[in-house]
Amino acid sequence: KNEVEQSPQNLTAQEGEFITINCSYSVGISALHWLQQHPGGGIVSLFMLSSGKKKHGRLIATINIQEKHSSLHITASHPRDSAVYICAVRSSPGGGADGLTFGKGTHLIIQP
Amino acid sequence: DTGVSQNPRHKITKRGQNVTFRCDPISEHNRLYWYRQTLGQGPEFLTYFQNEAQLEKSRLLSDRFSAERPKGSFSTLEIQRTEQGDSAMYLCASSMTPRGYGYTFGSGTRLTVV
Repeated sequence: KNEVEQSPQNLTAQEGEFITINCSYSVGISALHWLQQHPGGGIVSLFMLSSGKKKHGRLIATINIQEKHSSLHITASHPRDSAVYICAVRSSPGGGADGLTFGKGTHLIIQP
Repeated sequence: DTGVSQNPRHKITKRGQNVTFRCDPISEHNRLYWYRQTLGQGPEFLTYFQNEAQLEKSRLLSDRFSAERPKGSFSTLEIQRTEQGDSAMYLCASSMTPRGYGYTFGSGTRLTVV
């Protein structure tokens, strides 16, 4: 079982819809990242969270440390939001590798 | 500073050949990470450096793989005697300690072993 599970794996929605992508993890973490990857490989860091909620433009990320769960929301979705969204966690200090552990990603397609 | 730079963007090599990739991190970042991503999967951690010291290596990093960061700035990842299973996207990222602030990825080097 992967330490980081994302759902859904694939999501197709219409332009303007509210999008939610979920991430659950099984290890203690010091931080959780939401990343965006476009075709061709480039990865962009959207958020780094250790508690609460962050907002940037139309993107909102929340995390519940007790429930080991995070969500990424996109409001007023647009075709340019189409990408793979990846959740990645950084283990708690002393808990293992300092590198990130990644989910498999959610492939989002926003249709005009 | 234009972010994390990786070269080359694409590399096609014959099985058995050696290849070397380079990563130039953001200049003030003291941590540098290497990841490997195969098709349809999330990236997997390979190794990371704090300054010039290689602090951790994944079990994925077989003895054919070696990484260096000699002056604590750019890093190289070398794969010796490449195998078809090495075909993947190799991603580099950098960040500032202590909490990984500013975690930034490069665009990756796509390796194809034929």
